[in-house]
This record gives sequence, C-alpha cells and structure tokens, in this order.
Amino acid sequence: AQSVTQLDSQVPVFEEAPVELRCNYSSSVSVYLFWYVQYPNQGLQLLLKYLSGSTLVKGINGFEAEFNKSQTSFHLRKPSVHISDTAEYFCAVRLHMNYGGSQGNLIFGKGTKLSVKP
Amino acid sequence: KAGVTQTPRYLIKTRGQQVTLSCSPISGHRSVSWYQQTPGQGLQFLFEYFSETQRNKGNFPGRFSGRQFSNSRSEMNVSTLELGDSALYLCASSLAPTSTDTQYFGPGTRLTVL
Repeated sequence: AQSVTQLDSQVPVFEEAPVELRCNYSSSVSVYLFWYVQYPNQGLQLLLKYLSGSTLVKGINGFEAEFNKSQTSFHLRKPSVHISDTAEYFCAVRLHMNYGGSQGNLIFGKGTKLSVKP
Repeated sequence: KAGVTQTPRYLIKTRGQQVTLSCSPISGHRSVSWYQQTPGQGLQFLFEYFSETQRNKGNFPGRFSGRQFSNSRSEMNVSTLELGDSALYLCASSLAPTSTDTQYFGPGTRLTVL
C-alpha cells in the first residue's frame, strides 16, 4: 500500500522568509508525485507535479519541489513567501499505471497549514 | 474554459436522510473522481468514473454510490446519512483516468449532517 506523510501539520513563517514543506512517501511500486494547495472555502489547485525527468520541478506562484528517490521525499520550497500564500498544502501520490485497470486515484497526506505573518 | 462545478455548495441534512451531490466536469473531460475531506481523516478517495463506468472505488461503505452520465456529468449519493458523513465532498475531473493526467478540482459541496 502507498502512504504519504507530511511531517508538519502547521508551519508559521514571516512574510518574505523562505519556507520548506516536507513530504515523504512510502510505496513498493513507482509513483507520480503532486503538490496541491487549498485556499479557505475552495477546492484544490495543482501547484506542481513530478512525472519523470529532472528531479527539480517548478510550479506556479514561485513554488518548486525536489524529488529524492533514495529518501522517498518530495519537499516543497519557496524562497520568499507572501501573505497570499497562506493556505493548506497537500502532497499526493498516484501509482504508475503499468497494469490493467484504473489506478488513477490520488493518495493524499494530511496537509500542512502554512501561515504567513506580516 | 469553465472549471469544475459542484452543486449545491452547501447542504444540511439530518441523520437517516439521503443526499445527492452533482458534479459537472470541465468541458471535454471524461473522467470524474470523488473525494471526501474531513478534519480527522483528511482527503480520501471515494470512486472514479470514466465513460459511465466505475473504474475504481475507495474503501467506503455501500451507502456511498455514484454514477456518470453520457455527458460526463456525475452524481454521488449517500443514503442513510450518519453524523460522520459530515464533510467537504470534492469532485475532480481529468481528460482520462491515467496517472499522468492532472485532476482539476471543484470547490466542493459542504455537507452537514445533524
């Protein structure tokens, strides 16, 4: 079975400071990796995804993440945060579809609430 | 292009009742997935539909069911509501049910069971 662990449930940070949101996953088979953001009273929005290729992935709003296969991690970073980045961030995995049938559902971590203070 | 729409946005029901939630995917998207979000359990997969067929199902009781229509719109139904069914129900659509396709989420339906 696959699982995703987001090590910090809450991360407070001051505006313009750098931030790293940590994500580790467990899987016996290959997975694709995603980061989603959820603003209050809204659905989820994709920030970035890792499918293959370069392990450093750049996403929207200045976020980036690095896939580390040996450490089974996919940490999200931003060099300078803004008040508007205050939201909940979810790391997720999906199985590679190497076999028949749909295995396309996302498996989410519990989320990290990022709070950016002025 | 319009995003994923979900109706209604808010719903209040009492225990024992049943409820139907609706999801209209992005135009051209044929795959629809449903997720339940609660403070305790987080985001959990309910089921996935493609071409009017359920292709994948999460670990939820049979009270939770869904269907997809020929225009790709989807509904989910919860019968005999329990207090624990109070949650945000999110619908996501993608072009196809493949792992590389991005799932685009709607704003959700907030269900409160009293």
